[in-house]
Amino acid sequence: EPEVTQTPSHQVTQMGQEVILRCVPISNHLYFYWYRQILGQKVEFLVSFYNNEISEKSEIFDDQFSVERPDGSNFTLKIRSTKLEDSAMYFCASSDLLVPNTEAFFGQGTRLTVV
Amino acid sequence: DAKTTQPPSMDCAEGRAANLPCNHSTISGNEYVYWYRQIHSQGPQYIIHGLKNNETNEMASLIITEDRKSSTLILPHATLRDTAVYYCIVRVRDDYKLSFGAGTTVTVRA
Repeated sequence: EPEVTQTPSHQVTQMGQEVILRCVPISNHLYFYWYRQILGQKVEFLVSFYNNEISEKSEIFDDQFSVERPDGSNFTLKIRSTKLEDSAMYFCASSDLLVPNTEAFFGQGTRLTVV
Repeated sequence: DAKTTQPPSMDCAEGRAANLPCNHSTISGNEYVYWYRQIHSQGPQYIIHGLKNNETNEMASLIITEDRKSSTLILPHATLRDTAVYYCIVRVRDDYKLSFGAGTTVTVRA
């Protein structure tokens, strides 16, 4: 069964450092997302990406965040200068735009710890 | 601005049906009801969705009331692996993002 793959599974970084979280969405999917979940809190939408541009973003997704699809398979989330409060699980998801009302498939997440 | 209300937790006996309620009294005509679950901080997993008709798949059944103001997710034979947080989400057809609430923590007991 096709799946969304995220790497690394756990990333520890120092405050102020840049991190890049990587995702390989399902190959025929066209819509990509990042969500995050701070420990003990709700899953929160960050950004959606379609046709090589951001289609929607939340208030959380400020100038410190950026997304990119550098090639035909990867989808990345970059945090420019990490803060302690960026510590969270980050989930990538993808969906097949061509299928109406389709579900989103989520990866297993990257646990980001900012120290 | 929560669009759905779910009980915070519920227990279920292994092998029995689990009935998870969800209220969405302000749902509008173009909004679908989606259910996802999250097993122990893994990525959320799609279960089922519907508009107004009842739906069934290999995982669960979704019963939507005629006025669409509430729904019930039914796991027909709960197993220990069904222990998870279950999210009921109301979503507009063309809005691809998902707005997760706190969900219902379901614990299946042997």
